[in-house]
Amino acid sequence: ETGVTQSPTHLIKTRGQQVTLRCSSQSGHNTVSWYQQALGQGPQFIFQYYREEENGRGNFPPRFSGLQFPNYSSELNVNALELDDSALYLCASSPVGQGGTQYFGPGTRLLVL
Amino acid sequence: AQSVTQPDIHITVSEGASLELRCNYSYGATPYLFWYVQSPGQGLQLLLKYFSGDTLVQGIKGFEAEFKRSQSSFNLRKPSVHWSDAAEYFCAVLNSGGYQKVTFGTGTKLQVIP
Repeated sequence: ETGVTQSPTHLIKTRGQQVTLRCSSQSGHNTVSWYQQALGQGPQFIFQYYREEENGRGNFPPRFSGLQFPNYSSELNVNALELDDSALYLCASSPVGQGGTQYFGPGTRLLVL
Repeated sequence: AQSVTQPDIHITVSEGASLELRCNYSYGATPYLFWYVQSPGQGLQLLLKYFSGDTLVQGIKGFEAEFKRSQSSFNLRKPSVHWSDAAEYFCAVLNSGGYQKVTFGTGTKLQVIP
């Protein structure tokens, strides 16, 4: 399965600013997860949303927050951007009944100057 | 907590040669395991997954992986590599608790030479 989309593809912000990244999953995918992938690293789990509620969180500070909407689209918000927030942000969605199999979008590359 | 180790950061193989990428996991229960591939500047594509049953799993693009519980390993193999297989490969394990957190290894970058 494919079809997870993310916007924008690239973004440049300055330190201290706020950013919102968006993700649209396929119909029937009721769980969405967000990951941060720093250059040369594997993706790191930020948090997961299920039925519009956050139901799991990785080791990220509260300035990383999210939303999931009734149509299963999602947003990742990052406040007070820091230089280390520069990374590829990946959204992944899971279809109902597929036991955690996650399908990833192409990512948003964020550069913080 | 679960973890994944990919001991090879970078591997170079000749086109047509066989390939094996190593993955070791640490997880208390029966693991759900994945291999993903990432081309430069792209998202992750699922190659294959193991949840239960047959320990030899077939995936897309001619890849297969074998789950060995005794060795805590889930190595990825391909009998004959194509130049288009050059990419970064990530092994991952799913947390089967209250939410579906996937823990990734640090990846193995595959270079294919003609």
